[in-house]
Amino acid sequence: AQTVTQSQPEMSVQEAETVTLSCTYDTSESDYYLFWYKQPPSRQMILVIRQEAYKQQNATENRFSVNFQKAAKSFSLKISDSQLGDAAMYFCAYRLTNFGNEKLTFGTGTRLTIIP
Amino acid sequence: DVKVTQSSRYLVKRTGEKVFLECVQDMDHENMFWYRQDPGLGLRLIYFSYDVKMKEKGDIPEGYSVSREKKERFSLILESASTNQTSMYLCASSLAGRHPYEQYFGPGTRLTVT
Repeated sequence: AQTVTQSQPEMSVQEAETVTLSCTYDTSESDYYLFWYKQPPSRQMILVIRQEAYKQQNATENRFSVNFQKAAKSFSLKISDSQLGDAAMYFCAYRLTNFGNEKLTFGTGTRLTIIP
Repeated sequence: DVKVTQSSRYLVKRTGEKVFLECVQDMDHENMFWYRQDPGLGLRLIYFSYDVKMKEKGDIPEGYSVSREKKERFSLILESASTNQTSMYLCASSLAGRHPYEQYFGPGTRLTVT
């Protein structure tokens, strides 16, 4: 079974600084998808960024980027120029590519605090 | 805008009661999911459905059942609620297929069983 590990339960960063959230996963598959989801306080979970395992290029979405190391099974999220609105729980998630087996396996989450 | 709605934000039930949690999505998504979120455990999949009347067990199905009679609606049923089912329940939906489709989440139902 696939597992996703987030070893940092809590992180904090000064506003405007850069922070990196860690995620490792365990799988025997070669083709899969990885995601970072954000859950702001009392608000709905939303997708931050996604990565397809067959793509070597790291995904980026504005201030958010990933460092995908397939051999090391590592998928970290970098947030640049941190803003107060980035304060949230961040979850790393894994999914197989098979049609009909599209469930996500989540990590335990990292709570990010932004210090003004 | 995709919208996933859940019938209640907060629910308090007694041990042994039958509990229904409803989820509705308005984007014609094939897939629907029920997760349970607990501090320190992240989100764990209870059940998912990839089509009407189809369901698959997730990682923690014990004590739960589901129903999907219409494409837009996915219900989670606690046949006899127990205190260890006190938790936040999140519903999600997505398109189906070999593509990293985003899952869209509802606001969650915080269930307390006393």
